[in-house]
Amino acid sequence: AQSVAQPEDQVNVAEGNPLTVKCTYSVSGNPYLFWYVQYPNRGLQFLLKYITGDNLVKGSYGFEAEFNKSQTSFHLKKPSALVSDSALYFCAVRDPDSGGYQKVTFGIGTKLQVIP
Amino acid sequence: EAQVTQNPRYLITVTGKKLTVTCSQNMNHEYMSWYRQDPGLGLRQIYYSMNVEVTDKGDVPEGYKVSRKEKRNFPLILESPSPNQTSLYFCASSSSGPGGSQYFGPGTRLTVL
Repeated sequence: AQSVAQPEDQVNVAEGNPLTVKCTYSVSGNPYLFWYVQYPNRGLQFLLKYITGDNLVKGSYGFEAEFNKSQTSFHLKKPSALVSDSALYFCAVRDPDSGGYQKVTFGIGTKLQVIP
Repeated sequence: EAQVTQNPRYLITVTGKKLTVTCSQNMNHEYMSWYRQDPGLGLRQIYYSMNVEVTDKGDVPEGYKVSRKEKRNFPLILESPSPNQTSLYFCASSSSGPGGSQYFGPGTRLTVL
């Protein structure tokens, strides 16, 4: 069975500082990993994904994430946080090597608060 | 504009009264899925569909039904809603293949009294 862990319920960071939102995963095969963001009273929006290739992937709004196979992690990062980045962030995984890759497992979400 | 629409956006109902939440996408996506979002539990997948007439259970399918008669529509049916189905529901779609990123609808907030 596949699973995703987001160990922090909330991350607080000062505006202008770098931010990291953590995600670890467990799958039987090679993972497809995603980050989504949810602003208040809105649906989720896709930020970035790792499928294969370069371990550092870049996405929307200046976000990037680093895939680390040995640590089974896919942490979301941004060099300089903005107040407008304050939102709920979800990590998600698909296992393409399993017969049920259509199943998508999300983490419980991490609330990012950027303090002016 | 590429989008996923859901209706209604808000619904208050009573236990046992059948309801349907509609979902429609205009991107010709093969894959569609329903999730529920609950505090402390994140998003959990209810049902998904790989294409017309192809559906399968997610992690929390009990108490729900779906159908996929047309590619663009994927309604969620609660035949006898109960209070534990009070939640925020999201529909999503994506192109086929495990690498497809999902487009989400705006959500339906359901309260079952």
